[in-house]
Amino acid sequence: KQEVTQIPAALSVPEGENLVLNCSFTDSAIYNLQWFRQDPGKGLTSLLLIQSSQREQTSGRLNASLDKSSGRSTLYIAASQPGDSATYLCAVIGGATNKLIFGTGTLLAVQP
Amino acid sequence: DAGVTQSPTHLIKTRGQQVTLRCSPKSGHDTVSWYQQALGQGPQFIFQYYEEEERQRGNFPDRFSGHQFPNYSSELNVNALLLGDSALYLCASSFQGAGELFFGEGSRLTVL
Repeated sequence: KQEVTQIPAALSVPEGENLVLNCSFTDSAIYNLQWFRQDPGKGLTSLLLIQSSQREQTSGRLNASLDKSSGRSTLYIAASQPGDSATYLCAVIGGATNKLIFGTGTLLAVQP
Repeated sequence: DAGVTQSPTHLIKTRGQQVTLRCSPKSGHDTVSWYQQALGQGPQFIFQYYEEEERQRGNFPDRFSGHQFPNYSSELNVNALLLGDSALYLCASSFQGAGELFFGEGSRLTVL
């Protein structure tokens, strides 16, 4: 059974810092890995999608990497801003299932 | 280009009642998935609809049912509501059940 874990559960950093969020999964037979952002009480905003054949994806100040063999992904946020404050969720999709399995998220607070 | 839209945004029901939630997928998408997100948790997969049929189902009781219409929009029905059904219900769409998933803003259900 696939399980997804995110560490840390919460993180507080001063504005301008670079930071890394971690995601690990137990079954390396994944099809895609997707990172999302969720503001309080809101839906999910897709940030980056990494297909199983890819090692990383970049969008603006965000960079996500994927290491299937070790069951890990990281989301790197450069030059953090207060507007980056949100919960960040990673989710994997297995090749046979087409359903996303989510971690419990990392709550990020960027202090001005 | 309209994204995923859900209605209603908030609703309050009492135990034992029934509720219907609605979702319109992103333009060009034909697959709709439903997720339940309890407070402080990651979303949990309920089921997925493609070509008007339920293709996959998560670990949810038969009280949870759905439907997909010819225009690809979908409904989620929950019967005999329990207090534990209180959650944010999220709809996600994709093309042919693959690739990047896009989520709506969710429907917040409170059961009293």
